[in-house]
Amino acid sequence: NAGVTQTPKFRVLKTGQSMTLLCAQDMNHEYMYWYRQDPGMGLRLIHYSVGEGTTAKGEVPDGYNVSRLKKQNFLLGLESAAPSQTSVYFCASNHQGSTEAFFGQGTRLTVV
Amino acid sequence: GQQVMQIPQYQHVQEGEDFTTYCNSSTTLSNIQWYKQRPGGHPVFLIQLVKSGEVKKQKRLTFQFGEAKKNSSLHITATQTTDVGTYFCAGRTSNTGKLIFGQGTTLQVKP
Repeated sequence: NAGVTQTPKFRVLKTGQSMTLLCAQDMNHEYMYWYRQDPGMGLRLIHYSVGEGTTAKGEVPDGYNVSRLKKQNFLLGLESAAPSQTSVYFCASNHQGSTEAFFGQGTRLTVV
Repeated sequence: GQQVMQIPQYQHVQEGEDFTTYCNSSTTLSNIQWYKQRPGGHPVFLIQLVKSGEVKKQKRLTFQFGEAKKNSSLHITATQTTDVGTYFCAGRTSNTGKLIFGQGTTLQVKP
């Protein structure tokens, strides 16, 4: 039972490049989330999904897109990376009904 | 929009001293959760509070949910070096709502 797995763990991008972060969970969770963590800012919600095929914007959605084609996967895309998107990205998931959220190990992204 | 504020941002204590972090929401919450993140790690769930005025304890940790369900606190008695990390509160405005985190309180414990 792997829980929540994020790939890649580290990445360096040049400004303007695109990339996709993958989050996979094997707990059959309905809800999945993407957060970014910056010093002094806590965890800020980028996008979230309450089920397969549905997504919604969080607090800081600009510059990101997401897709939830399969229940177990939640993809976060950066179409044109900017230095302001340098951050640590966490994926999380939980069962419907306000249960605890399980986090992945994080992806450290640097945009130069 | 929904905002969750947490204070203080940083706290340095001597081992054995107590520690408290406070969480305030701009809107009434359905429930509140607390997480701990060790340096270099990912957030790990500690507890969930649901009822107005609820108090829960986990060994030296005491969690409270305010009567109006808009604030919460985490109190650690007699801190130990193993308590080092960042403590986050996270709230939902409904059982099906998004989970919004506070900014976190980073605790340093001097041995």
